[in-house]
Amino acid sequence: AQKVTQAQTEISVVEKEDVTLDCVYETRDTTYYLFWYKQPPSGELVFLIRRNSFDEQNEISGRYSWNFQKSTSSFNFTITASQVVDSAVYFCALSEARLDSSYKLIFGSGTRLLVRP
Amino acid sequence: NAGVTQTPKFRILKIGQSMTLQCAQDMNHNYMYWYRQDPGMGLKLIYYSVGAGITDKGEVPNGYNVSRSTTEDFPLRLELAAPSQTSVYFCASRTPTGTGTYNEQFFGPGTRLTVL
Repeated sequence: AQKVTQAQTEISVVEKEDVTLDCVYETRDTTYYLFWYKQPPSGELVFLIRRNSFDEQNEISGRYSWNFQKSTSSFNFTITASQVVDSAVYFCALSEARLDSSYKLIFGSGTRLLVRP
Repeated sequence: NAGVTQTPKFRILKIGQSMTLQCAQDMNHNYMYWYRQDPGMGLKLIYYSVGAGITDKGEVPNGYNVSRSTTEDFPLRLELAAPSQTSVYFCASRTPTGTGTYNEQFFGPGTRLTVL
């Protein structure tokens, strides 16, 4: 069965520190997609990144970077030089290809990141 | 484009009452989803739809019903509200397969529902 585990419930860092949010997933499919979403205190869900199972290249976008390792079933997210505005709950999610193309999302329980000034 | 819109933003229900959570999208997306987010938890799928007239159950469908008469609208119905349905409800829609950003789900702002 599909499952996403975010073992870190809450992380607190001081501004400008680097922080890594862990995500471990389980799936029996060979074709799947991984996502990260940000949920700021205002409550909306903001899409950050999507990776497919055939692309293990790491990705960098500004201060954000993602490390995808199929060998360990992990898709970790690093924020470099964290800022107070990065304070939010971050969700990792998994989506598998289905015959109806529904691509339903399976979410982890989230990691609450608090960046202190 | 307004994206995905949800109404109401907040609602308090008494046990046994019924209500409909509205969701609409103006992006011509075929795929739409309803999720619930309980405190301190991730989102769980309630129902989804792959197009007008077609709906299917997700992980936690009990106590809910949906309909999809148009591409734009995907309302979620609670018939007999229970305290266990206190949650934040998110509607989402997805870009079609074959486009550059396919499989990305766009979420509405959420509806915070309390059942007392």
